[in-house]
Amino acid sequence: QKEVEQDPGPLSVPEGAIVSLNCTYSNSAFQYFMWYRQYSRKGPELLMYTYSSGNKEDGRFTAQVDKSSKYISLFIRDSQPSDSATYLCAMSASQILTGGGNKLTFGTGTQLKVEL
Amino acid sequence: EAQVTQNPRYLITVTGKKLTVTCSQNMNHEYMSWYRQDPGLGLRQIYYSMNVEVTDKGDVPEGYKVSRKEKRNFPLILESPSPNQTSLYFCASSLDSSTDTQYFGPGTRLTVL
Repeated sequence: QKEVEQDPGPLSVPEGAIVSLNCTYSNSAFQYFMWYRQYSRKGPELLMYTYSSGNKEDGRFTAQVDKSSKYISLFIRDSQPSDSATYLCAMSASQILTGGGNKLTFGTGTQLKVEL
Repeated sequence: EAQVTQNPRYLITVTGKKLTVTCSQNMNHEYMSWYRQDPGLGLRQIYYSMNVEVTDKGDVPEGYKVSRKEKRNFPLILESPSPNQTSLYFCASSLDSSTDTQYFGPGTRLTVL
């Protein structure tokens, strides 16, 4: 079983829809949770960063972490064609536990297409 | 412009021919890392470096070498490439080892025949 599970999609939605992207994980030591966006033929870029449980909002994007369920989500409101990309969740544990180094464990990514 | 650069962007080579993929960052970051990205497997860490002359293995280090002689550069070396190393490679850097915000390069698509 992978440490981080993410539905690969593809997910196709109409412009203006609310998109929900999710990841589940098995390692209870994960405390830092991130979402990266990767456009075709580009490197991943950090979209959202959260620590521990709770919600974080940034414009049209909301990241949600539920540590009790080992489940994280990214919501995109009023989706636009420019949001079409692959979304990767990533997680890391406390540096004290890992002995140093900020090793990220990634999900496989969900491909999203927002259509006009 | 703050960035991570990689060269070459695309490379086709043959089994056993040594190659080096360069990575450079201009942000004075201490931490640098190499990942490979494969369909269905996601991004997996190959090697990382917490500072100059300090490197360590990630999850999939077999068949790869790295060096960190200068802060800005972190080359990935394949001494004897094999077809199972055909992949998309990304270099990343972050301010230090306790910072989770990693900045990724544009990627190098490697094909080993």
